[in-house]
Amino acid sequence: AQKVTQAQTEISVVEKEDVTLDCVYETRDTTYYLFWYKQPPSGELVFLIRRNSFDEQNEISGRYSWNFQKSTSSFNFTITASQVVDSAVYFCALSEAHGQAGTALIFGKGTTLSVSS
Amino acid sequence: EADIYQTPRYLVIGTGKKITLECSQTMGHDKMYWYQQDPGMELHLIHYSYGVNSTEKGDLSSESTVSRIRTEHFPLTLESARPSHTSQYLCASSWTNTGELFFGEGSRLTVL
Repeated sequence: AQKVTQAQTEISVVEKEDVTLDCVYETRDTTYYLFWYKQPPSGELVFLIRRNSFDEQNEISGRYSWNFQKSTSSFNFTITASQVVDSAVYFCALSEAHGQAGTALIFGKGTTLSVSS
Repeated sequence: EADIYQTPRYLVIGTGKKITLECSQTMGHDKMYWYQQDPGMELHLIHYSYGVNSTEKGDLSSESTVSRIRTEHFPLTLESARPSHTSQYLCASSWTNTGELFFGEGSRLTVL
């Protein structure tokens, strides 16, 4: 069965600090997809990234970067030079390909990031 | 920006009432989902649909029901609301099961 673990429940940093959010996943499928979503205080979930299991290249988008390591089943998310607007709950999620059908996203419990000025 | 809408955004009702949470999307997505989320907690899949006249229960057991008569519309109904149903309900849609989910703003339900 698929499972996503975000061991860090809450993280507090001061502006301009770098912060890494951890995500460890479990799946029996060889083809799967990993996601990160951001949920600001307004409540709406915002898509950040989707990565398939065959693409282990790390990705950088502005201050955001993602480190995907199949060997450790991890898909960690780093925010460089954090800002107050980064304060939110961040969710890691997984879906399995299951051939053509695919499975709905399973989410981790989320990590609450608080950035103070 | 995603074109998926949920109404009402906030609802406070008494025990025993019947309620329907509306969800509509204008993107033509076949796949639609309902997630339940308690404050500060993870999202749990309660219902999903892969197309018109297709509905399935998710991982979390729920007393709610859904219907999918039109592609763009995926309402969730509680026949008799109870305080244990107090939660946020998030609707989402996507092109495929493994693609990006587009979420609505959520419906926060409080049952007194």
